[in-house]
Amino acid sequence: EPEVTQTPSHQVTQMGQEVILRCVPISNHLYFYWYRQILGQKVEFLVSFYNNEISEKSEIFDDQFSVERPDGSNFTLKIRSTKLEDSAMYFCASLKDEWTGTIYFGEGSWLTVV
Amino acid sequence: SQQGEEDPQALSIQEGENATMNCSYKTSINNLQWYRQNSGRGLVHLILIRSNEREKHSGRLRVTLDTSKKSSSLLITASRAADTASYFCATDPYRDDKIIFGKGTRLHILP
Repeated sequence: EPEVTQTPSHQVTQMGQEVILRCVPISNHLYFYWYRQILGQKVEFLVSFYNNEISEKSEIFDDQFSVERPDGSNFTLKIRSTKLEDSAMYFCASLKDEWTGTIYFGEGSWLTVV
Repeated sequence: SQQGEEDPQALSIQEGENATMNCSYKTSINNLQWYRQNSGRGLVHLILIRSNEREKHSGRLRVTLDTSKKSSSLLITASRAADTASYFCATDPYRDDKIIFGKGTRLHILP
């Protein structure tokens, strides 16, 4: 079964450093997402991406965050200057089309900011 | 507005028993999905039920949806130790392409 893949699985970074989390969505999907889950808390929406642009973003997704689809397969989340509170599991997800409905998630990338 | 609040927050049952988790939401939806998350792992999609459906089955899973009450339930029959996980409902608000998660139910199956 096709799956969403994410790298790295775990990253430790110094506060203030830039981090790029990478995702390869399912190949024929059109909608892409980033979510995050702080340890022990709920899964929170960050951003959705469709037709090569951001379609929606949450209040969490401030100017420190950016997303990019640099080629036909990768979808990245960049955090420019990490803060301690950015420590979380970041999930990438993709959706084939709005009629299918099922959103598939990757295994996540653990980000620890020290 | 918050969507998809599950209850109970935690549930412990004996292996072989049935587990029922509930989810309530606030706004109109296109569909509702249930996900499982093993500790520290990714979100595994279990089942999607559309707003015009009332019940859906998949193996040992049974999901119901009552749009008049804005609620859904997930029933896992004949539970197994491997079912120990957190279960989340996620709603797809009408005219929105994202899904919003509840806080989840932590299910623990006792041997």
